[in-house]
Amino acid sequence: QKEVEQNSGPLSVPEGAIASLNCTYSDRVSQSFFWYRQYSGKSPELIMSIYSNGDKEDGRFTAQLNKASQYVSLLIRDSQPSDSATYLCAVNSPISSGSARQLTFGSGTQLTVLP
Amino acid sequence: ETGVTQTPRHLVMGMTNKKSLKCEQHLGHNAMYWYKQSAKKPLELMFVYSLEERVENNSVPSRFSPECPNSSHLFLHLHTLQPEDSALYLCASSQDSLLYNEQFFGPGTRLTVL
Repeated sequence: QKEVEQNSGPLSVPEGAIASLNCTYSDRVSQSFFWYRQYSGKSPELIMSIYSNGDKEDGRFTAQLNKASQYVSLLIRDSQPSDSATYLCAVNSPISSGSARQLTFGSGTQLTVLP
Repeated sequence: ETGVTQTPRHLVMGMTNKKSLKCEQHLGHNAMYWYKQSAKKPLELMFVYSLEERVENNSVPSRFSPECPNSSHLFLHLHTLQPEDSALYLCASSQDSLLYNEQFFGPGTRLTVL
């Protein structure tokens, strides 16, 4: 069974600090990886996608991928109280039938940024 | 706004009712998905429609029935639901369901089964 594991948290960081969110996955053939942000009572919002080993930066967000270690992380620099949300890691993996693929989601890490 | 809309946003129904959830995407995508999100659980994929191919999670009960009349519209028909089916039902779409599968979610329907 394909699994995506995240620390459930809650993770608390002070405003202005770096928040580090981690994710491991079990399916070695996975090729694409995503981070979603979900505010309480809202739907998930795609914030980063990464396909190659290394770092990918977008504003205050940096995604890091290490396929050999089956590990993907999200760094949030200069954390703001508005970053307080649950962050979901998602991994693209095949569905058993047909050519379609699915995203397998982790349970999410709840982040709180303290003013 | 992600370009994916869902109606209704909230739904309360009894166990003997029949209702339908509607999803529409305005992104020109070719794949659409239904997910269930229960408290403290990961998002659970229920159904995928991709270029008219339907894939379903075999653990989804038959009281949930999807319909995808075209690439822009997706329905989830509900009948004789159970209280444990109360959850947030999310629709998503992506350009395709292949390797670079960026999915964009609608706002969800909060379903309560009494």
